[in-house]
Amino acid sequence: QKEVEQDPGPLSVPEGAIVSLNCTYSNSAFQYFMWYRQYSRKGPELLMYTYSSGNKEDGRFTAQVDKSSKYISLFIRDSQPSDSATYLCAPAGGTSYGKLTFGQGTILTVHP
Amino acid sequence: DTAVSQTPKYLVTQMGNDKSIKCEQNLGHDTMYWYKQDSKKFLKIMFSYNNKELIINETVPNRFSPKSPDKAHLNLHINSLELGDSAVYFCASSQDQVAGPYEQYFGPGTRLTVT
Repeated sequence: QKEVEQDPGPLSVPEGAIVSLNCTYSNSAFQYFMWYRQYSRKGPELLMYTYSSGNKEDGRFTAQVDKSSKYISLFIRDSQPSDSATYLCAPAGGTSYGKLTFGQGTILTVHP
Repeated sequence: DTAVSQTPKYLVTQMGNDKSIKCEQNLGHDTMYWYKQDSKKFLKIMFSYNNKELIINETVPNRFSPKSPDKAHLNLHINSLELGDSAVYFCASSQDQVAGPYEQYFGPGTRLTVT
């Protein structure tokens, strides 16, 4: 079993839809839960992160963590064509020194 | 002003050759990383340096050797290239990462193709 599992999709939605992206993880020592966005042929860029369990909102994006079930979610409201990218979850923490363990990434396409 | 830069952007070479990829960051960060992203987009850490000291060394063939001449630079040298080394290699940097959060800033990537 991989340490971080993420459905690779691809996921195709119409503009304006609510998108739900999800990851599961196995390492209970993870404390920070990062979301990166990667456009085609570009490097990943940090979108947002949460610490421990709970929700965090940033504009149209909401990150949610449930540590009891080891489940991470990213919701995108009112999705736009510019949101089309690969979304990577990356939990971190515990004894790993700065090590991010990435999920496989979910390819999202938002069509007009 | 590019925060994390890599050269070259594309690298096409033959099996058995030796090649290097260079990375520079102008963010004043203490920690730098090398990641490998395979054809399925799976991004996996290879190495991490903090203040020129190797702190993460994942299970990577010893044909791969990182070198950090100073805090702002981390280079990756690959000996005896193999077909399986074809991938996109990303450099990243961050502040000192003892306690988090783990905000890492990535370069644009070097697309390596071994023929």
